[in-house]
This record gives sequence, C-alpha cells and structure tokens, in this order.
Amino acid sequence: AQSVTQLDSQVPVFEEAPVELRCNYSSSVSVYLFWYVQYPNQGLQLLLKYLSGSTLVKGINGFEAEFNKSQTSFHLRKPSVHISDTAEYFCAVIGMNYGGSQGNLIFGKGTKLSVKP
Amino acid sequence: GAVVSQHPSWVICKSGTSVKIECRSLDFQATTMFWYRQFPKQSLMLMATSNEGSKATYEQGVEKDKFLINHASLTLSTLTVTSAHPEDSSFYICSAGMTGSSYNEQFFGPGTRLTVL
Repeated sequence: AQSVTQLDSQVPVFEEAPVELRCNYSSSVSVYLFWYVQYPNQGLQLLLKYLSGSTLVKGINGFEAEFNKSQTSFHLRKPSVHISDTAEYFCAVIGMNYGGSQGNLIFGKGTKLSVKP
Repeated sequence: GAVVSQHPSWVICKSGTSVKIECRSLDFQATTMFWYRQFPKQSLMLMATSNEGSKATYEQGVEKDKFLINHASLTLSTLTVTSAHPEDSSFYICSAGMTGSSYNEQFFGPGTRLTVL
C-alpha cells in the first residue's frame, strides 16, 4: 500500500517570494507522482506529474517538482508566487503493482498556500 | 480536451431524501470513473470505482446500498445518495479515467457540494 505525507498543512508566503511545498511518500512498489491544485469549491487540476525519466518535472503556472527516490520525496517549488496561486495543493501517488497493474490514486492531506500582498 | 462536468454543482436537501449527482466526460470516453468524497479541510477519499456496464467496486467502509453508483455509458456515471442524513453532507468529486500510453490519467470534475438539513 502507498501513503502520502504533506508535512505542512498551511504555508503563508508573501507575493513574489519563493515557495516549497513538501511531499513524502511511502511505497513498496514503483510509483507515479502527481501534484494537483484545488481552488475554493472547485475540482482538482493537474499541475504536474512524474512518470519516468528526468527527476525534475515542470508543470503549469511556473511550478516544478523534483523526484528524489532515496528520500522518497516529491517537493513542489515555485520561484516567485502570485496572489492567484492561493489555493489548496495536493500531492498524490499511484502505485505500479507487480504485473503492471495500476493502483488507485492516493492523496495527501493537502497544503493550503496563502499568498499575501 | 478531457473535460469532466458534474451536475448539480450544489444541492441542499432534507434528511431522508435521495440525491442524484451526475458525472459526464464531455469530449472523451471514460471506461472507468471514480467517486471521491472530501470533508472540509481534508483530502479526497476514494469511495468507489466504476467501469462501464459493470458493478462498482466500493472501498472499505463505504456503504454500497447508501451510495448507489451507475455507469451506464462511457460518458456518464451517477452517484445517488439514498436516504441522505446530515452526516452525508460533503463535497463529492468525480473523475474520469482515460487510458494513456503509460498510465490511466484521471480528469476531475468540478465537484458537487451536498448539504443535508
């Protein structure tokens, strides 16, 4: 089974400052990793994903994340945030089971990013 | 592309009544649809997975007789909350799965806020 830990429930930051949202996972099998953003009263929008290849992945809205297998982490970063980035961010994993079947999408508890002017 | 809609976006009902929520993939055929429940300030919890033309697979702890799921076509799945009670009040989000080259990507609907009085 897989699990996802988002270490910070809330991250306040000033506009134009850099931000890092932390995500660690545990799994006994290979995983695919995702970051989603949720604006108030809306569904989830995919920011970026890691499936294979380069460990640094770039997503929409200037976000990027780095997969670190040894530390089982997939932290999300943005060098300069905007007010419009205020939202809830969810890290998620899918476990790739032996035999090639795909597990369910497992979410972390989310990190609320608040960008202040 | 890959747009998923939900209807209604919000609903208020009296205790004891049943509520139906629709999830549609607008521009693709989804062989698998997922239903999630999200409590305030918490993560998404998978309730069930449904494949077109077959019975839904419910996660442990989810009452299948209370949360009826129908996936009658490749573009429509419905969740019916039967005999709703205040504790069923929540944000319900569906997603539709699209088979890709490497994994089955999920596209999320905008969610339905259910309030049971």
